[in-house]
Amino acid sequence: DAKTTQPNSMESNEEEPVHLPCNHSTISGTDYIHWYRQLPSQGPEYVIHGLTSNVNNRMASLAIAEDRKSSTLILHRATLRDAAVYYCILKWRTSYDKVIFGPGTSLSVIP
Amino acid sequence: DGGITQSPKYLFRKEGQNVTLSCEQNLNHDAMYWYRQDPGQGLRLIYYSQIVNDFQKGDIAEGYSVSREKKESFPLTVTSAQKNPTAFYLCASSIGPGQEGTGELFFGEGSRLTVL
Repeated sequence: DAKTTQPNSMESNEEEPVHLPCNHSTISGTDYIHWYRQLPSQGPEYVIHGLTSNVNNRMASLAIAEDRKSSTLILHRATLRDAAVYYCILKWRTSYDKVIFGPGTSLSVIP
Repeated sequence: DGGITQSPKYLFRKEGQNVTLSCEQNLNHDAMYWYRQDPGQGLRLIYYSQIVNDFQKGDIAEGYSVSREKKESFPLTVTSAQKNPTAFYLCASSIGPGQEGTGELFFGEGSRLTVL
């Protein structure tokens, strides 16, 4: 079973910020929180990951709760190209264990 | 450029035939994974390998087989024992124990298998 839970779908207006939540209440101390996104008929693409501190990169920001039991992916200004399925997963840095994906959140962006 | 190459992109198979999907990576990653995706669903883990000549079953390994004879290659065979093989298959890789890097998964573009 997936170790994370996410809403099935979300909507956002174009050029507005989007906050995608993820719950991972059974996270262990060695689990990194990863986010990937998938466009139709393509392989998932890495977005961002973090361990304890909030992270920023050119694609998004990742806000991690102090107890690490939840996190939020933040897209600062949604564009039509951000419409995709977003997956939140837990993963050890060097893959000692199998990596499980849940169904993810399907994000729709409204022009 | 470094990356993962899956082939073929599209494959048609008659019932009762085995088919092998190729996955090659030039990222020097020790770990490789195979996932299956059905329409509107998430990714389900079939097999994974942490190192050459070793692999483990994922959640839906029945009807599938793999080999890991070379670091760069992790082919997946869909056997006739797989009752519903029509799906989108994704291969991924990441660093393994002892390797440097940040640990993210790199995915191929996928192979779409249709059983006629």
